[in-house]
Amino acid sequence: QKEVEQNSGPLSVPEGAIASLNCTYSDRVSQSFFWYRQYSGKSPELIMSIYSNGDKEDGRFTAQLNKASQYVSLLIRDSQPSDSATYLCAVKGGNKLVFGAGTILRVKS
Amino acid sequence: KAGVTQTPRYLIKTRGQQVTLSCSPISGHRSVSWYQQTPGQGLQFLFEYFSETQRNKGNFPGRFSGRQFSNSRSEMNVSTLELGDSALYLCASSNPGGTYEQYFGPGTRLTVT
Repeated sequence: QKEVEQNSGPLSVPEGAIASLNCTYSDRVSQSFFWYRQYSGKSPELIMSIYSNGDKEDGRFTAQLNKASQYVSLLIRDSQPSDSATYLCAVKGGNKLVFGAGTILRVKS
Repeated sequence: KAGVTQTPRYLIKTRGQQVTLSCSPISGHRSVSWYQQTPGQGLQFLFEYFSETQRNKGNFPGRFSGRQFSNSRSEMNVSTLELGDSALYLCASSNPGGTYEQYFGPGTRLTVT
């Protein structure tokens, strides 16, 4: 079992819809969780971090964390074509981040 | 604040050669982590340096090494290059003790022929 799992996609949503990206992790003691966005040919960009159970909102992005279910999600409201990218989930384990393989999101105009 | 910088941005080497990549973290950040990204394996952790000491190491062969200087700048070295070392090498800086948010540089694209 991989430490951090994501559906590779692609996830296709129409412009203006809500995109829902999911991530599960195996290490129960993990305390810090991150979402990165990576455009093709670019480096990952940190867009959200979450440390406690519940929801955390930042603009059009909402991160959700459920430690009991070992589940992290990212919701993107009012999706735009510019949101088309690969979204990487990362979990802090020890002194390193463990990344999932990423979910490709395509927003169709 | 200036972001993380990496040099060079692109590199072409021949199998068997060695290469050194450089990373300058965000001002005030003392931790530098290195990652290898390939289409097949995704983002793989190489090692992390903090205060000139390697704190953590990923599952890579000894051909991959690194160091950190007193100004927090870091270098990684790959000796005896293999075709499979072709990848995007990313460094990320963070300020440990806080949130552990990591910020990535633009990466160095290494091609081994």
